Amino acid sequence: EAGVAQSPRYKIIEKRQSVAFWCNPISGHATLYWYQQILGQGPKLLIQFQNNGVVDDSQLPKDRFSAERLKGVDSTLKIQPAKLEDSAVYLCASSLGSRVPKPAGGQETQYFGPGTRLLVL
Amino acid sequence: AQKITQTQPGMFVQEKEAVTLDCTYDTSDPSYGLFWYKQPSSGEMIFLIYQGSYDQQNATEGRYSLNFQKARKSANLVISASQLGDSAMYFCAMRVLYQLIWGAGTKLIIKP
Repeated sequence: EAGVAQSPRYKIIEKRQSVAFWCNPISGHATLYWYQQILGQGPKLLIQFQNNGVVDDSQLPKDRFSAERLKGVDSTLKIQPAKLEDSAVYLCASSLGSRVPKPAGGQETQYFGPGTRLLVL
Repeated sequence: AQKITQTQPGMFVQEKEAVTLDCTYDTSDPSYGLFWYKQPSSGEMIFLIYQGSYDQQNATEGRYSLNFQKARKSANLVISASQLGDSAMYFCAMRVLYQLIWGAGTKLIIKP
């Protein structure tokens, strides 16, 4: 079974430029997540999709970040314009999701892609 | 407040020794799940093991086991017979109220 695919793996841009990242989740996974991971920290959730709907985007800096999952499969995360502090690894993850919500303690394992390392100069 | 604490920023362990990575959590919700992930230098997050709050037995997956002490709110990861390939960052995470809350991680280095 193919894992979560992400591209590009690395990107270097100058501040105020725009950049886009692409993610293709595991086949059949309804839930897709974008995380930002600053060096030396744990991941921070930016946005969570259930199929093509947004479940949680409370930590997405909406003045510069946008994300879409139009057909409920692959997803694109965009930054425009980029700032120096956006330098980080951007991780995409997916999980099975379920029409019947599990209890909060129920296992809903997230599987991650290789990440995109972004450097803003 | 929901929180995960990993108090060991870094650890050095001799190859073939057992390793215990600490994780404590804080939540008032009785229903939660605890996860451990491994992140090698390549950057990918690899799922290792899961423990549900209602699970009676400690979870095990091959060389990984989770020492779950509910009263102490701890969920330590134990790696038996460590290998050089175990060198990586290890993250503890807690799923509660449909959110996954992450610790700051522990950097584990296995010495030959």
